[in-house]
Amino acid sequence: NAGVTQTPKFRVLKTGQSMTLLCAQDMNHEYMYWYRQDPGMGLRLIHYSVGEGTTAKGEVPDGYNVSRLKKQNFLLGLESAAPSQTSVYFCASSRWDRWNTEAFFGQGTRLTVV
Amino acid sequence: ELKVEQNPLFLSMQEGKNYTIYCNYSTTSDRLYWYRQDPGKSLESLFVLLSNGAVKQEGRLMASLDTKARLSTLHITAAVHDLSATYFCAVDYTGNQFYFGTGTSLTVIP
Repeated sequence: NAGVTQTPKFRVLKTGQSMTLLCAQDMNHEYMYWYRQDPGMGLRLIHYSVGEGTTAKGEVPDGYNVSRLKKQNFLLGLESAAPSQTSVYFCASSRWDRWNTEAFFGQGTRLTVV
Repeated sequence: ELKVEQNPLFLSMQEGKNYTIYCNYSTTSDRLYWYRQDPGKSLESLFVLLSNGAVKQEGRLMASLDTKARLSTLHITAAVHDLSATYFCAVDYTGNQFYFGTGTSLTVIP
């Protein structure tokens, strides 16, 4: 069972470079999320999607863009990376269920911007 | 402003002891989740609490939810080294938007 898979696992960028992080889930979940994790700050929601073709902003969306062209994939883009975007990024997915919206997480992408 | 606060942030405890981690949240919700994260790893789901008074237990861990007090607790009984990890609570306020606490880093000392 693959679950939620993130690509790549590690990346080093120079300031100003761009990159795309890919998240793929095989659980047929409607909802997908991108979080960043920084020391002492827990996980903060960047963007999320409630279905194919839809995206919405979370707590900390600035400097990021997302796309959900296929239900199983959720892409996170950095157009011009900044050192403040050095973080560990987690993708998650959940099904639509009024009673249980448990999220399942990918293994994370450690991004360093120099 | 939506806030989820955990305490303590750091916890060092001896094997065999009991302790409780607290998760307070600022806005009404009846869905709360606990996750475990080992260093350098992803988040693993521990408990799903979906109503006031919900109590779940797994091994040496027990979680409860009091929606009126906006409080969840994660109780550790007779701690063992394998429980060393960071524990997060997460609140679902709006239906599929999760707000996480800052985490509690637990170290169990032999």
